[in-house]
Amino acid sequence: GEDVEQSLFLSVREGDSSVINCTYTDSSSTYLYWYKQEPGAGLQLLTYIFSNMDMKQDQRLTVLLNKKDKHLSLRIADTQTGDSAIYFCAEKRAVGGGADGLTFGKGTHLIIQP
Amino acid sequence: DAGITQSPRHKVTETGTPVTLRCHQTENHRYMYWYRQDPGHGLRLIHYSYGVKDTDKGEVSDGYSVSRSKTEDFLLTLESATSSQTSVYFCAISDTDRTNEAFFGQGTRLTVV
Repeated sequence: GEDVEQSLFLSVREGDSSVINCTYTDSSSTYLYWYKQEPGAGLQLLTYIFSNMDMKQDQRLTVLLNKKDKHLSLRIADTQTGDSAIYFCAEKRAVGGGADGLTFGKGTHLIIQP
Repeated sequence: DAGITQSPRHKVTETGTPVTLRCHQTENHRYMYWYRQDPGHGLRLIHYSYGVKDTDKGEVSDGYSVSRSKTEDFLLTLESATSSQTSVYFCAISDTDRTNEAFFGQGTRLTVV
């Protein structure tokens, strides 16, 4: 099974807050990431958080990290139609040679209702 | 946007033929990666490189080989394409000595018929 788990779908009304949740399993992960993928496009890095932080805020985005429970969340305030996309949670792990690979969840489809 | 270019962007090929995908970067980043994206699996690491001529296997490396003869180019080769290799392939770059961000290319959609 996947090491990083996410719900596959989230539906919210325009203007509400969206909260996308993620759980991971590797307690040694140093960084956790949120990527956004719009249809037919590549992955856009939204934000990341270092494992010794509890929260990081960047404009409409708030990331919360509960290291004890290995739980990561992304809150998008005032959700807009342009936020409609797939959101991937990823954790950073050493893969060898000094390189760090990312292990991804399956992605959460954020659907915005008018 | 980070300077990453993947080519081709789309390709249809027949089973058993060799295919090479190219990733080109202009950022001089040390690390480069190839991922594949499939429905129900998210992104999975195929191979990665930690320098010129330095490569290693990722999670799903069977049926793939890579080469990195210069810093800016990372090639992914399917020696004999199979239908199970139909996927969207993403290249990523990072330079973890200086930053913790990884940047992705736009992807290559490969269909093996």
